[in-house]
Amino acid sequence: DIQMTQSPASLSASLGETVTIECRASEDIYNGLAWYQQKPGKSPQLLIYNANSLHTGVPSRFSGSGSGTQYSLKINSLQSEDVASYFCQQYYDYPFTFGSGTKLEIK
Amino acid sequence: EVQLVESGGGLVQPGRSMKLSCAASGFTFNNYDMAWVCQAPKKGLEWVATISYDGSSTYYRDSVKGRFTISRDNAKSTLYLQMDSLRSEDTATYYCARQDGSLVWFAYWGQGTLVTVSS
Repeated sequence: DIQMTQSPASLSASLGETVTIECRASEDIYNGLAWYQQKPGKSPQLLIYNANSLHTGVPSRFSGSGSGTQYSLKINSLQSEDVASYFCQQYYDYPFTFGSGTKLEIK
Repeated sequence: EVQLVESGGGLVQPGRSMKLSCAASGFTFNNYDMAWVCQAPKKGLEWVATISYDGSSTYYRDSVKGRFTISRDNAKSTLYLQMDSLRSEDTATYYCARQDGSLVWFAYWGQGTLVTVSS
């Protein structure tokens, strides 16, 4: 199975700041990576697919980058509504696997 | 608007069975692969199973192979997960999700249904 190592586990930042979340795959996943946002008590929502493509309706302050085994999610100009947990997921091969998540809070 | 509505969760004893349903609307159901993803309380996400758009192919995580069965009824736009021989470690919220193809991301998710396996 492909292991996804996500960091940091938690993050606290101020409104307007830029934050970055990292995800490392145990082998090359050829950009088969998605990022999801899960607000408290809600289901996950797709943000980014194919490592860097923005899903419909997602604000442009979210962006994804990376290749091979290293990927990142960047959130520019942090807003209060961005308080959530964020998960990466590889879909290059079955079984699909997720990172352990990053909990983002506002300072 | 894409809608996925899960039902069928609840409290069940270890070793017993439970069947989850997911009613889909707002898109052409038989054009999409569908999946179940679970999340244990206060934990991360785990993919459970996927079924192809026509039901001809299914895929499972190792821990549920032989115990869970994913199926679909395209005429009713409904996805199912039959869960047998349930274990305490199966306790989780189960989400139904639409895949935008084979070996791709989960584009839309339902609100989830909680399954609690306990005596």
